[in-house]
Amino acid sequence: DTAVSQTPKYLVTQMGNDKSIKCEQNLGHDTMYWYKQDSKKFLKIMFSYNNKELIINETVPNRFSPKSPDKAHLNLHINSLELGDSAVYFCASSPRTSGRPAYEQYFGPGTRLTVT
Amino acid sequence: GENVEQHPSTLSVQEGDSAVIKCTYSDSASNYFPWYKQELGKGPQLIIDIRSNVGEKKDQRIAVTLNKTAKHFSLHITETQPEDSAVYFCAASRAGHNQGGKLIFGQGTELSVKP
Repeated sequence: DTAVSQTPKYLVTQMGNDKSIKCEQNLGHDTMYWYKQDSKKFLKIMFSYNNKELIINETVPNRFSPKSPDKAHLNLHINSLELGDSAVYFCASSPRTSGRPAYEQYFGPGTRLTVT
Repeated sequence: GENVEQHPSTLSVQEGDSAVIKCTYSDSASNYFPWYKQELGKGPQLIIDIRSNVGEKKDQRIAVTLNKTAKHFSLHITETQPEDSAVYFCAASRAGHNQGGKLIFGQGTELSVKP
């Protein structure tokens, strides 16, 4: 199936731990994003990468570090987890190519992170 | 700053009725307006979108209208069915060169269609 996939789907961990969420898309897109959805379902962009290059960083604490090993993958590493990091994290991808506008974004199924 | 306001926050309709969700955006440079449907436990799914050079777009039972002057856009769902029940999000973006495609989302509307 062509899609945006994320692992794990659920992640429960204690404060202070370090964890990673992985994202892969096989849609051939070259722009990928991380969004955070809080308990009130509000969606907010965190990062955007185009061809492995960071192009958006929305005042996210530097405990969050995205890494893009290639344009099909965008992983999110979180250091020193805090209670307020509990949320659902969505990866998305977009068929933007260099010099062309970014339009449609396709979302993964989400990773529910619970910090205790 | 950039902001998208969405109303209502909850909407309950009888099966077969129409549903309308409205959004207002603040950034006059926004040029792309998608709508997403999010079912419980799933990621947002793009259902329809409109670009700033178009005033209206329709796809079967769903339609979107855009008023650039008033910075309003709306989602219309006709002949609603129980499977339309979900949370709907509007969003706005400055899609373009070096803009990164950042979507600014509304707060969401929980639509409930009663059989």
